[in-house]
Amino acid sequence: DIQMTQSPSTLSASVGDRVTITCRASQTISYWLAWYQQKPGKAPNLLIYRASILESGVPSRFSGSGSGTEFTLTISSLQPDDFATYYCQQYNSSSYTFGQGTKLEIK
Amino acid sequence: QVQLQQWGAGPLKPSETLSLTCAVYDGSFSGYYWSWFRQPPGKGLEWIGEINPSGGTNYNLSLKSRVTISVDTSKNHFSLKLNSVTAGDTAVYYCARGLGQAPGLWGQGTLVTVSS
Repeated sequence: DIQMTQSPSTLSASVGDRVTITCRASQTISYWLAWYQQKPGKAPNLLIYRASILESGVPSRFSGSGSGTEFTLTISSLQPDDFATYYCQQYNSSSYTFGQGTKLEIK
Repeated sequence: QVQLQQWGAGPLKPSETLSLTCAVYDGSFSGYYWSWFRQPPGKGLEWIGEINPSGGTNYNLSLKSRVTISVDTSKNHFSLKLNSVTAGDTAVYYCARGLGQAPGLWGQGTLVTVSS
């Protein structure tokens, strides 16, 4: 299986901050990467697919970049609703895998 | 508004079969990828498998020997069966739908507990 490693595991930030989460793949996955946001007790919410395409309805403060093995999710100006856990997922190989998650906390 | 509604029997005892069903309401069934995911309590997400628009299936290699995902287009349902469950299969299970392999529409989640 392709291993996905997210960093950091926990991130403390304030409203208005610009934050970046990194996801690294153990082998190249081209641009077959998605980012999800998950809040406690809720299903994940798709933010970005194909590394950089914003899902319909997702605020434009979210953006994704990268290809190959290194990818980033950036939130340009944190809003109170953004404090949650974020996961990357690769779907390049026949067996899809997630990163371990990044918990974004209020500083 | 399109939504997915999922349900299934529980709790389960070790060695039993987990069975969950997901229905789509007010939305098309054809032309989509239909997937199942799970999340053990307090842990991260795991992809279980999918059916693509052509009806082909693709499963997580670690679960492949125990998993079956099927579709009933007449009822707009798709289903998950996981055989020979153990305590390690205790998780919230989610169904999901997408135009590609990254689904944008998810069910509400079902907690399945396996305990003797």
